[in-house]
Amino acid sequence: NAGVTQTPKFRVLKTGQSMTLLCAQDMNHEYMYWYRQDPGMGLRLIHYSVGEGTTAKGEVPDGYNVSRLKKQNFLLGLESAAPSQTSVYFCASSPGTSGIDEQFFGPGTRLTVL
Amino acid sequence: TQLLEQSPQFLSIQEGENLTVYCNSSSVFSSLQWYRQEPGEGPVLLVTVVTGGEVKKLKRLTFQFGDARKDSSLHITAAQPGDTGLYLCAGANAGGTSYGKLTFGQGTILTVHP
Repeated sequence: NAGVTQTPKFRVLKTGQSMTLLCAQDMNHEYMYWYRQDPGMGLRLIHYSVGEGTTAKGEVPDGYNVSRLKKQNFLLGLESAAPSQTSVYFCASSPGTSGIDEQFFGPGTRLTVL
Repeated sequence: TQLLEQSPQFLSIQEGENLTVYCNSSSVFSSLQWYRQEPGEGPVLLVTVVTGGEVKKLKRLTFQFGDARKDSSLHITAAQPGDTGLYLCAGANAGGTSYGKLTFGQGTILTVHP
C-alpha cells in the first residue's frame, strides 16, 4: 500500500496563477483533510471531507477550494495564488470510525508564491 | 476556538539527557495525540491518550494526559540523536460533528547532539 500520496512535491507560482494539488489514498478511508504548515504555527486545517461528494471548511479556508469526486482523491485548488499562501501543504486521511482515529499524512507539497 | 499551547518551541540537548515537552489548553479535549515529523515528511502518530490521568509508555517515551484532559506531556529519557525531529500534540473531540478534526499545537523542534 502506498498510503497517502501527494502531487506535486514542489511548485513555484507567480501571484495570480492557479494550481491544483492532488491527494490520493489507497486505504479506503472515509475522512480526508488538507492542512497548511507554517513555521511556529503547527498545522492548520484548510478544508476537510467526510465522504465522497462532501466538503467542509476548516480553520483557514479563504483562498482555497476543494473537491472530492472520488473517495480516494481529495483535490485542493488555489484560484489566484497570493504570497501569503506560500507554505507546506499536507493531506491526511482517517478511517472515520471514531472521533479519535489516527490521521495518516502524505509527504507534503512545498509551495512558493512569488 | 480551542487552542493548544506547546512548549518549548525549540529544544537542543546532548545525547543522554532527559527532556519534557508540554501541551496546554484552557479547553477540554476528548483525546490527545502526539505526532513526530521528520524533515520532508508528514507527521506520524506516536500515541493517543484518551483517559484523564492516563500514562502511556513507548520505550523511552512517556506520555501523560492531565486529569482534567486539558494538558499533556511527553517525556523522553536518555535522548538519542535518532529522537531529533518535530513533535506535535493534537487535540480531538469525540462527537457527531467533530469528524476527527484535530487542533494542533505549534510544535517543538528537538535536536539531540551526539
